[in-house]
Amino acid sequence: DGGITQSPKYLFRKEGQNVTLSCEQNLNHDAMYWYRQDPGQGLRLIYYSQIVNDFQKGDIAEGYSVSREKKESFPLTVTSAQKNPTAFYLCASSIVLGDAGANVLTFGAGSRLTVL
Amino acid sequence: AQKVTQAQTEISVVEKEDVTLDCVYETRDTTYYLFWYKQPPSGELVFLIRRNSFDEQNEISGRYSWNFQKSTSSFNFTITASQVVDSAVYFCALSYLGADGLTFGKGTHLIIQP
Repeated sequence: DGGITQSPKYLFRKEGQNVTLSCEQNLNHDAMYWYRQDPGQGLRLIYYSQIVNDFQKGDIAEGYSVSREKKESFPLTVTSAQKNPTAFYLCASSIVLGDAGANVLTFGAGSRLTVL
Repeated sequence: AQKVTQAQTEISVVEKEDVTLDCVYETRDTTYYLFWYKQPPSGELVFLIRRNSFDEQNEISGRYSWNFQKSTSSFNFTITASQVVDSAVYFCALSYLGADGLTFGKGTHLIIQP
């Protein structure tokens, strides 16, 4: 079955360490996204990518980095520059419609990062 | 700037009751899209519905129905005869013509008690 796989599901990190969250999709979607979710908050966009080797910052990109070397993969690195990294991270993908605003996102199950 | 407000942080009802989740949005765009997603305890968001700004017809899908009113900038979601499996966090979201991501509300945690 097609879908989005995020790993690891749970991750613990010491302050000052970089961590990379994996996101792989086999839906043949062109666009991929990373969102951050904090308790009692909505989702906030970190980065998105419409095509391979191209990506754009979202609303809260500071302290994060991404790459898009393959269509199927969109890893997110949480760097030590991210001041409050403890959160639930969700990866999503979509086909790219003529109007990008109409894209329906398919989400992965998320990765929960805790900084100790 | 766009904004989505879900004023109900948490709702608790007994099974079989009807429940309405409110969503109010703000946008300056004339062409936009509204979405509802469900987030069960497993964590992944599940798409429920998309509605564009030119289609104000209400929609019904089984026990779910949506009421879109541009005059009040609202896109409310009603579950009829709620079931325990409906327990989840529900998010309303907004995008606009050419947008590259969604603006989400803070979500409503729905608890259906047996």
